[in-house]
Amino acid sequence: QSVLTQPPSASGTPGQRVTISCSGSSSNIGSNTLNWYQQLPGTAPKLLIYNDDQRPSGVPDRFSGSKSGTSASLAIRGLQSDDEAEYYCATWDDSLNGLVFGGGTKLTVL
Amino acid sequence: QVQLVQSGAEVKKPGSSVKVSCKTTGGMFSRYTMNWVRQAPGQGLEWMGGIIPIFGTESYAQNFRGRVTITADESTSTAYMELSSLRPDDTAVYYCARDLQGSGWYGGFDYWGQGTLVTVSS
Repeated sequence: QSVLTQPPSASGTPGQRVTISCSGSSSNIGSNTLNWYQQLPGTAPKLLIYNDDQRPSGVPDRFSGSKSGTSASLAIRGLQSDDEAEYYCATWDDSLNGLVFGGGTKLTVL
Repeated sequence: QVQLVQSGAEVKKPGSSVKVSCKTTGGMFSRYTMNWVRQAPGQGLEWMGGIIPIFGTESYAQNFRGRVTITADESTSTAYMELSSLRPDDTAVYYCARDLQGSGWYGGFDYWGQGTLVTVSS
């Protein structure tokens, strides 16, 4: 059971906007910055968002992150077929004194 | 261009140990936290721990404390992860990953190794 809760699945059609949620507590999301990863099958994860809402160089601005209290969201606008992947949130947990990942959300582009 | 190059796949017996290496090329090594993340077949990501080479500071996930050791050799820009008392459920792909924000515990990993499959089977 992950400390960070994500929906197991999400879906959308090409061009649509979708959001993926990540829920935690005061010891993790509530007090530390949040990161988002995209993982395509058979490949290493790719950093999409760090520091709650910052995009690393090369990540399209279709991807955006937000955080409020102990919850966070990843938004993808203009959905494309190659956005079909697994998405993970991650942050430091002060109680566990370690980094924690969400269970992952499989995004399907219909 | 920064690259993290990991050692090759391993097959181990239960109860034994495995040591995986991760060499940084094309960029600075010592000032970035190097982390280890594993992924069992069909499962999610699991942080194992990390090290800040310039300070020699380590941190380990509770699930692995006492069983994992992470070290760094600044002279060769190589990090190592050794996992002992292996069990079949340690079968996974093991990744090294560098923290984008440098020497701290932030969780934003911008560079990843290619992954090393460790299979534990009798």
